[in-house]
Amino acid sequence: AQSVSQHNHHVILSEAASLELGCNYSYGGTVNLFWYVQYPGQHLQLLLKYFSGDPLVKGIKGFEAEFIKSKFSFNLRKPSVQWSDTAEYFCAVTPNTGFQKLVFGTGTRLLVSP
Amino acid sequence: SQTIHQWPATLVQPVGSPLSLECTVEGTSNPNLYWYRQAAGRGLQLLFYSVGIGQISSEVPQNLSASRPQDRQFILSSKKLLLSDSGFYLCAWTAGDRGEEQYFGPGTRLTVT
Repeated sequence: AQSVSQHNHHVILSEAASLELGCNYSYGGTVNLFWYVQYPGQHLQLLLKYFSGDPLVKGIKGFEAEFIKSKFSFNLRKPSVQWSDTAEYFCAVTPNTGFQKLVFGTGTRLLVSP
Repeated sequence: SQTIHQWPATLVQPVGSPLSLECTVEGTSNPNLYWYRQAAGRGLQLLFYSVGIGQISSEVPQNLSASRPQDRQFILSSKKLLLSDSGFYLCAWTAGDRGEEQYFGPGTRLTVT
């Protein structure tokens, strides 16, 4: 069965610090990868996604993620965080074939202090 | 544009009582629909999904059931709630079945007392 691990459960950063959130998945086949974000009081929304092609994908609000197939990883990065990035971040994976059923990680709560 | 609604937003129910949570989608037809439960520290767990009216697939054995009486309506139910049913329930939809982005509703916070 597929699984997703997010090793950082809580992260606290100061504004302008760099961010990297880890995501590792377990699945033997080809996958589609996603990062979702949930800002306080808002719906869960898509931050970025990887289906194929360039393993470095760029999303909204200056976020990017790199797919490293050999490491089964899809880490999220941002060079300089802002207070408005305070949110909970979820990594998710689905097989590239068949019906799409997302498997989510446990999430990382990011707090950015001004 | 597409919109997804969930109600109620919050619900407090005693153990043993029935449950009915509703999700409706506007602005699209024949969506794939999903119910997730989000528990603290456990991420989102897929409970049910549906590819069409009357077609329900269950992901995990549990005290809950789902139904899809109309194309854009998805209902989560229970005959008798357990304490362990407490959590945050999210409905989501997608237009396709191959790697499409899922769009999530605002969620229902259920507390079973």
